[in-house]
Amino acid sequence: NAGVMQNPRHLVRRRGQEARLRCSPMKGHSHVYWYRQLPEEGLKFMVYLQKENIIDESGMPKERFSAEFPKEGPSILRIQQVVRGDSAAYFCASSPFRSEQPQHFGDGTRLSIL
Amino acid sequence: KQEVTQIPAALSVPEGENLVLNCSFTDSAIYNLQWFRQDPGKGLTSLLLIQSSQREQTSGRLNASLDKSSGRSTLYIAASQPGDSATYLCAAYNQGAQKLVFGQGTRLTINP
Repeated sequence: NAGVMQNPRHLVRRRGQEARLRCSPMKGHSHVYWYRQLPEEGLKFMVYLQKENIIDESGMPKERFSAEFPKEGPSILRIQQVVRGDSAAYFCASSPFRSEQPQHFGDGTRLSIL
Repeated sequence: KQEVTQIPAALSVPEGENLVLNCSFTDSAIYNLQWFRQDPGKGLTSLLLIQSSQREQTSGRLNASLDKSSGRSTLYIAASQPGDSATYLCAAYNQGAQKLVFGQGTRLTINP
């Protein structure tokens, strides 16, 4: 009964590079949520995905950020041309059903931009 | 739009004291409210979840209450221990929104 798995745990990128963050939901969960935690702040919702569909991306920056949850494999949060302000902890959560169940969180990916 | 606020931002108390952490939310149409614990550099651990139809939930030394009409939730920690030191986050979940709205957290330090 593995929980939500995120990798890598730590990721260092130079400005202008691409960052790819991966999230494998709990077994049997088909709903994935990404949140971002800036230093000294609470978590902020970014995007909600079901398999092969983006349901709500209202919290995603309009440029450079994208997310996918393919039929097979983990969910990917992709940040292109990273900037210093992208440095944060990115958390993934999953749930088995739409809305009714609590969300289970992974340990996060800490992204540092040099 | 749901907004969640936690006061105080930081709290330091001696070991053994009982304490209360506060959480307020602006939209009373919540589906549930969840309290999490976050240790430095770690992920979130769910402590208690209160459904909108409930008034409180208890787990060991923790008790969380929910008052929808006033838009408030409290987390009560009895007989605090140094191991309780962490950041405590509350999050509101609105039906239909399908996302958690978090407060900024309260950083709790229990001094031996």
